[in-house]
Amino acid sequence: GEDVEQSLFLSVREGDSSVINCTYTDSSSTYLYWYKQEPGAGLQLLTYIFSNMDMKQDQRLTVLLNKKDKHLSLRIADTQTGDSAIYFCAEIFSGGYQKVTFGIGTKLQVIP
Amino acid sequence: NAGVTQTPKFQVLKTGQSMTLQCAQDMNHNSMYWYRQDPGMGLRLIYYSASEGTTDKGEVPNGYNVSRLNKREFSLRLESAAPSQTSVYFCASSEEIKGADGYTFGSGTRLTVV
Repeated sequence: GEDVEQSLFLSVREGDSSVINCTYTDSSSTYLYWYKQEPGAGLQLLTYIFSNMDMKQDQRLTVLLNKKDKHLSLRIADTQTGDSAIYFCAEIFSGGYQKVTFGIGTKLQVIP
Repeated sequence: NAGVTQTPKFQVLKTGQSMTLQCAQDMNHNSMYWYRQDPGMGLRLIYYSASEGTTDKGEVPNGYNVSRLNKREFSLRLESAAPSQTSVYFCASSEEIKGADGYTFGSGTRLTVV
């Protein structure tokens, strides 16, 4: 079955880079996503990467995909206090029913 | 603002009571979803509707029913609430199930069953 795993917590100092990691199991995933959830709010799509790509950069965000190891990472450069949130990794699972599978989320704490 | 609107934002129910969570989107999306979010368990899919007129069970459908009233609206009903249904419920929508645009989420309904 499908599974997406993430570490629960990451703490960084303001101005440093943050790297949030994720592993997934479905090798047939077509899209992998990163979502951000701020306190009391819903999830907001940050970025996605198509499975035939190795890297995608979008301003301060860099997504790296290692298909061989089924590992996805999100790097946030120059982390700001406004980046404090929970970050969810997600993949499209093409199983018996089509759905997006979410990890449990990594809580990023940015220390001023 | 365009997006997904959920009502109510907060609700407290007694065990055995029923209620309907409402969700509406104004982006002309085809697919809509209901998730629940519990600590340490991420988001779990309850039901989804790939297109108007269709609904399908997700990962945790027991105790819930849904109605895709029209293209805009997708409601979630708890017929007899149980404490195990205490959770944060999110509605989401997307243009299609397998899309690069991902999902647009509502802000959630925080439900407590006592």
